[in-house]
Amino acid sequence: DAGITQSPRHKVTETGTPVTLRCHQTENHRYMYWYRQDPGHGLRLIHYSYGVKDTDKGEVSDGYSVSRSKTEDFLLTLESATSSQTSVYFCAISEVTGELFFGEGSRLTVL
Amino acid sequence: DQQVKQNSPSLSVQEGRISILNCDYTNSMFDYFLWYKKYPAEGPTFLISISSIKDKNEDGRFTVFLNKSAKHLSLHIVPSQPGDSAVYFCAASARSWGKFQFGAGTQVVVTP
Repeated sequence: DAGITQSPRHKVTETGTPVTLRCHQTENHRYMYWYRQDPGHGLRLIHYSYGVKDTDKGEVSDGYSVSRSKTEDFLLTLESATSSQTSVYFCAISEVTGELFFGEGSRLTVL
Repeated sequence: DQQVKQNSPSLSVQEGRISILNCDYTNSMFDYFLWYKKYPAEGPTFLISISSIKDKNEDGRFTVFLNKSAKHLSLHIVPSQPGDSAVYFCAASARSWGKFQFGAGTQVVVTP
């Protein structure tokens, strides 16, 4: 299995609070991604990174920001969480020509 | 804009029979396709891929077929086993982009 760790795995928070999810990899893969999974929508790309300090938006990026200061870490931040951001968040990694390897997921509930 | 569609949200199949999962895409730039399997409370796991230069790829019980003119791919699982009960996602990308779009998934239930 690819070495991908997501933290926290579960979080409950209140509307308006900031939240940061962390993805850590030990594979030295260039690409890192944040997806969210919601019923009826499958997996939707939030943001991705193609190198240290190089990031770009995905299809559902509003309300989210990311940072990648080291190859191994990719942070997803919700500056002010809303109930619509209740979801399961998955981090994934890949080399440029390969398949994605996913983490175990982080379940976020915004009350 | 959903560019990858899995129009069957669920599929029930008997153990030992063939499961056929379908996926359609709209973007003609897509040239690399993946299938993933997902159990509850786990991350998706990679099953099989196909490049647009091929029309078929096999790996054990899993075969993916690609029809570029129809912008359609399918995953065949033969024979289906109880452990195949999971949600299956197809994903597509243009390799130069480095990012994938996923379909909404198909829940497969394999019955004894």
